Amino acid sequence: KAGVTQTPRYLIKTRGQQVTLSCSPISGHRSVSWYQQTPGQGLQFLFEYFSETQRNKGNFPGRFSGRQFSNSRSEMNVSTLELGDSALYLCASSSDSSKTGELFFGEGSRLTVL
Amino acid sequence: AQSVTQPDIHITVSEGASLELRCNYSYGATPYLFWYVQSPGQGLQLLLKYFSGDTLVQGIKGFEAEFKRSQSSFNLRKPSVHWSDAAEYFCAVGGDFGNEKLTFGTGTRLTIIP
Repeated sequence: KAGVTQTPRYLIKTRGQQVTLSCSPISGHRSVSWYQQTPGQGLQFLFEYFSETQRNKGNFPGRFSGRQFSNSRSEMNVSTLELGDSALYLCASSSDSSKTGELFFGEGSRLTVL
Repeated sequence: AQSVTQPDIHITVSEGASLELRCNYSYGATPYLFWYVQSPGQGLQLLLKYFSGDTLVQGIKGFEAEFKRSQSSFNLRKPSVHWSDAAEYFCAVGGDFGNEKLTFGTGTRLTIIP
């Protein structure tokens, strides 16, 4: 079956703009997690959605938000972009039945903020 | 709070040589442990996982890892590396079902020399 799909793969924005990233999970997966990956901070957990509800949240400012739709697709939004938001944003889905937290990752959306 | 330490930032090995990547974790109960691999510009691919049972787990691409509770370690091994193994490797720890947050180590970059 198809893997996790993230769009767009690459994008360039300027400071102060906002951006929306999209993630389609593996069919049947109801949990979607988002991670930010930077050379300096590594992989940092942003938030996790399950059945349209935010179930976990990392330590990021309120400029970072997300949502999940009834078909489990998820979006994350970053408002008022800062240079430090340049990163690879990874989406991962997991099966509720796995009971292990095993994540399946997409290829990421690489955001560059100028 | 759970945490993961990968003490080696960068490792260089010759093609055909054996490999061991170190991972130490901190978690209050029995952890779920994972090794992921990331090629440049790509997402993370699961190599192997440990949930319970046999402490030596086999993964894809000829990798294996051993869970040692007494040492809080989950080291990744491969008897003979191939040039295609050059990538970044991440160890991760997760826990309670319903908490889909994985905590990742900072990664170990593997370089293979001919």
